[in-house]
Amino acid sequence: NAGVMQNPRHLVRRRGQEARLRCSPMKGHSHVYWYRQLPEEGLKFMVYLQKENIIDESGMPKERFSAEFPKEGPSILRIQQVVRGDSAAYFCASSLLSYEQYFGPGTRLTVT
Amino acid sequence: KQEVTQIPAALSVPEGENLVLNCSFTDSAIYNLQWFRQDPGKGLTSLLLIQSSQREQTSGRLNASLDKSSGRSTLYIAASQPGDSATYLCAVSKNSGNTGKLIFGQGTTLQVKP
Repeated sequence: NAGVMQNPRHLVRRRGQEARLRCSPMKGHSHVYWYRQLPEEGLKFMVYLQKENIIDESGMPKERFSAEFPKEGPSILRIQQVVRGDSAAYFCASSLLSYEQYFGPGTRLTVT
Repeated sequence: KQEVTQIPAALSVPEGENLVLNCSFTDSAIYNLQWFRQDPGKGLTSLLLIQSSQREQTSGRLNASLDKSSGRSTLYIAASQPGDSATYLCAVSKNSGNTGKLIFGQGTTLQVKP
């Protein structure tokens, strides 16, 4: 049973480009969460999705950030027009119902 | 607003010691509490999950307790080993609504010296 998969593991973007981060949840899990870990800071919740629905996006910046979890395929976190302040580790987690969350290895985004 | 605090921020112990990591939260209306381990540059590994109705959970050398009324949890590590060196994170989920989002503490960075 494969764990949560994220790709790419490392992503380098120039300022103004778009970043697309992908997350495949554990088999059978229909709940996906995205968290961000800024340098020297703790993990912060961004968004919670179920298949084709955004349930809670209270932690997502209002501009440039969007997330989706389509019926088929991975969940995508999209950051448009990246800025240096977006450099961080982005983690995806999945769960069965609202129980224990299992985390992926993260995508480390560097904006140059 | 829920806030999670972990004390100490860093801890260094010799191999073989038993140790306790502390976690406190301001809002006792939690759904569950989860302890994680994070190695440098890596993802999070779930160690223990305690439901709000439970008092403790055990896995191997790890024991986590929960006192919801006082807003506290402890992670006890018995007979520490150098391989236990990592950052330990505590996180809580809220009890209302249908969101399972986790609120994290800043973590305790543990170093176990051989």
